[in-house]
This record gives sequence, C-alpha cells and structure tokens, in this order.
Amino acid sequence: DADVTQTPRNRITKTGKRIMLECSQTKGHDRMYWYRQDPGLGLRLIYYSFDVKDINKGEISDGYSVSRQAQAKFSLSLESAIPNQTALYFCATSGVQGGELFFGEGSRLTVL
Amino acid sequence: AQSVTQPDIHITVSEGASLELRCNYSYGATPYLFWYVQSPGQGLQLLLKYFSGDTLVQGIKGFEAEFKRSQSSFNLRKPSVHWSDAAEYFCAVGSNAGNNRKLIWGLGTSLAVNP
Repeated sequence: DADVTQTPRNRITKTGKRIMLECSQTKGHDRMYWYRQDPGLGLRLIYYSFDVKDINKGEISDGYSVSRQAQAKFSLSLESAIPNQTALYFCATSGVQGGELFFGEGSRLTVL
Repeated sequence: AQSVTQPDIHITVSEGASLELRCNYSYGATPYLFWYVQSPGQGLQLLLKYFSGDTLVQGIKGFEAEFKRSQSSFNLRKPSVHWSDAAEYFCAVGSNAGNNRKLIWGLGTSLAVNP
C-alpha cells in the first residue's frame, strides 16, 4: 500500500458543486501539504499543516479550505467548484524541517 | 525575486546517451536544492538533495547533481539514460531553514527517451 493515499484519483464534477479530496498517510509525519499542478505553471502550494492544530494558507488558497482530522488525515475542499480549478492535486507529507516531501499519486479533478 | 528556472521544457535523448538537465536559481539566502521526478500517472519522488558539504551529490536511479554557487546552478546528470527514465523532472529550492512551505519550484523538464 502507498504511504500517502489520495481519494478519489479522478473526479469529474459540475460548476458550483462541493468537492472534497482526501489524503491519508502512514508515514507518521506531522507535516502535510496540498499542492496543485497545472501545465506550464508547475506546482503551487494551496495549504499546509504542521500538526493537527496548525493550518496555514499557501500561495493560492482562495476558493479552497482544508481540514486536518488527525495526524494522518488532511482533506482539501472546494466549496463551490469552478472550471479554473480543473487541475491535478497532490497531497504530500514531510517528517522534519527541510526534509524530503513524500507525494501521493494525485487526484485529477475536472470541473465542467 | 526568488525563482527557479529550468530552461529546457522538453528534451529527447536516445537510450544509453548521457543526460544533463539544467536548473538555475535566484535566491537570497543559502539554498537547499532538490530534484524530484514525476513518472507518468505518479506523484513526485525525490531524486537527490543538496544542503551543504560536497557539491556533487549522488541520488537514486544513478542520477547525480552538482551545485555551482558561482553559476547559481544545480544541474542533474546521468551518464547513461534508460527508457524508464522518461518522466518529468522538477528542480526546487528552499531556504537553509529548510521550511518546505517556502519551496520554490521550477516548471519542469519533460524527458523523452528514444529506443
């Protein structure tokens, strides 16, 4: 089983719908991240959490919210999806400051 | 401004040929440098990193990279490419505080390998 698991892997939805992307990890890491990947724009950080009680905005948090339900679980929500949120979303974890990032396999979201 | 530039958007090499992927950065503080690889349909995986010490670092899958402070570069190399190396490669730079929230990513280089 993967150390960082994202569900769903693929989702097609309509404008205005609420969407939740879930991430769970078995690495035992405190730090978790949500990234968005778009062609030509690279990886951009949406939100990050350094422990269960710590949630921080990244560079592109507008239109997104997160929940850190437990050390192992970090969910990303789109309250009202719009087409320009169509992208590949990655969850990642890290164990120490400056340490390696461990990525999930990604969740491809299409908003029609 | 802080930035990471990967000048080559797409590179094609023949299997068995040598490879060099370029990464240039602009960063005010002492940099932590990373190379990640993304295989098709997969997440990113760390190839190697440079924090300090020997400027030639070895990574997984036979890759190495050399940090050249005078040139603000951290180029990735492999002496003989395998077909399985076809993937997207990302360079990233962070502060010497090592805070991943401040990682700056390059836009990636897509590598194709001809048989």
